[in-house]
Amino acid sequence: DAKTTQPPSMDCAEGRAANLPCNHSTISGNEYVYWYRQIHSQGPQYIIHGLKNNETNEMASLIITEDRKSSTLILPHATLRDTAVYYCIPHVAGGGNKLTFGTGTQLKVEL
Amino acid sequence: GAVVSQHPSRVICKSGTSVKIECRSLDFQATTMFWYRQFPKKSLMLMATSNEGSKATYEQGVEKDKFLINHASLTLSTLTVTSAHPEDSSFYICSAPPPGFEAFFGQGTRLTVV
Repeated sequence: DAKTTQPPSMDCAEGRAANLPCNHSTISGNEYVYWYRQIHSQGPQYIIHGLKNNETNEMASLIITEDRKSSTLILPHATLRDTAVYYCIPHVAGGGNKLTFGTGTQLKVEL
Repeated sequence: GAVVSQHPSRVICKSGTSVKIECRSLDFQATTMFWYRQFPKKSLMLMATSNEGSKATYEQGVEKDKFLINHASLTLSTLTVTSAHPEDSSFYICSAPPPGFEAFFGQGTRLTVV
């Protein structure tokens, strides 16, 4: 699995956009970039994934660089409930494959 | 969306006893489920892959005789921590990927061995 580098922590003011970067320079051609988050003492939650095009859903937007070596998860209007650890995980799409979690980014949203 | 239910959410047991944790896929069938362990302020570490109808596959360093996994049906996998010791205290999380979809995770089980 491709290794990832994420900043250990970030702060964001409530209502502002949170931009979480991830470097995945060794990502394989068949690996998607997945983002999960884990709120304290809960199981991880799927957010979004993409291969090479930018993606958007009701939770977030995902921007992937053209060379696919890095990506940015954008929470457009962060709320206090978005405080969590965010994990960027290169992964082959579809079920049946185990996920390898890195250290992630602890996002703290404050008033 | 797909739901994975884990039970119990919290358990305290005495050292030397065994504890069983259940992981259920509520609205889909899962031939494969995964068990993770997470120590405080650490990331999730995969312990084993639970395979319906066959033996589980354990990650390196995980004792298969201590962490017994049973995947007897397409909707249920169980993890039994046998002869638990304080160092087994951790947050245990299961996940199940619906066919062709992203993984869904249980709520986690906080195990405290006293």
